[in-house]
Amino acid sequence: AQSVTQLDSQVPVFEEAPVELRCNYSSSVSVYLFWYVQYPNQGLQLLLKYLSGSTLVKGINGFEAEFNKSQTSFHLRKPSVHISDTAEYFCAVSSLVAPGGGADGLTFGKGTHLIIQP
Amino acid sequence: NAGVTQTPKFRILKIGQSMTLQCTQDMNHNYMYWYRQDPGMGLKLIYYSVGAGITDKGEVPNGYNVSRSTTEDFPLRLELAAPSQTSVYFCASSLPGPREGYTFGSGTRLTVV
Repeated sequence: AQSVTQLDSQVPVFEEAPVELRCNYSSSVSVYLFWYVQYPNQGLQLLLKYLSGSTLVKGINGFEAEFNKSQTSFHLRKPSVHISDTAEYFCAVSSLVAPGGGADGLTFGKGTHLIIQP
Repeated sequence: NAGVTQTPKFRILKIGQSMTLQCTQDMNHNYMYWYRQDPGMGLKLIYYSVGAGITDKGEVPNGYNVSRSTTEDFPLRLELAAPSQTSVYFCASSLPGPREGYTFGSGTRLTVV
């Protein structure tokens, strides 16, 4: 079984400041890792993903995340946030060997609400 | 290129009523999913399908039913609505395997009163 813990339910940050959203996972097998973003009243959009290779992954809108296998973490970062980054951010994990393939693979964290203050 | 389309966007049901949440995708994805999202709880998988005619239960299937007669459509049925089913429902689709991630619809906000 796999699980995802997003350590902060809410993160307030001033505009143009850096931000880090924390995500830890647990799994007994190798995993794929994802960050999704949900803007108000919208569905989720894929922000970035880690499949293999370089542990630093770049995504859309200037976000990046670093996979740390020893710490079982996949923290999301942005060096300078904008008011338009206000959204809910979800970390998700999928086992490479999920019995149903992708069908039952994705486990989501509870989300972190990023609040940008002017 | 519509992606994943959900209808309706909003609905209020009375306890005991039934309804179907519609979901259609135009990306020829074999895999489709229904999630519910409750505040502070993330997304919980209700049902999923790996292809036409094949469905299976997720984490929270009680009170729901699904069917998959075509690759494009994956409707979710609530037979006897209960207040506990008040939630935002998301449909998603993907290629087989998780490498490409999921494409989500914009959601249906359901209130049961």
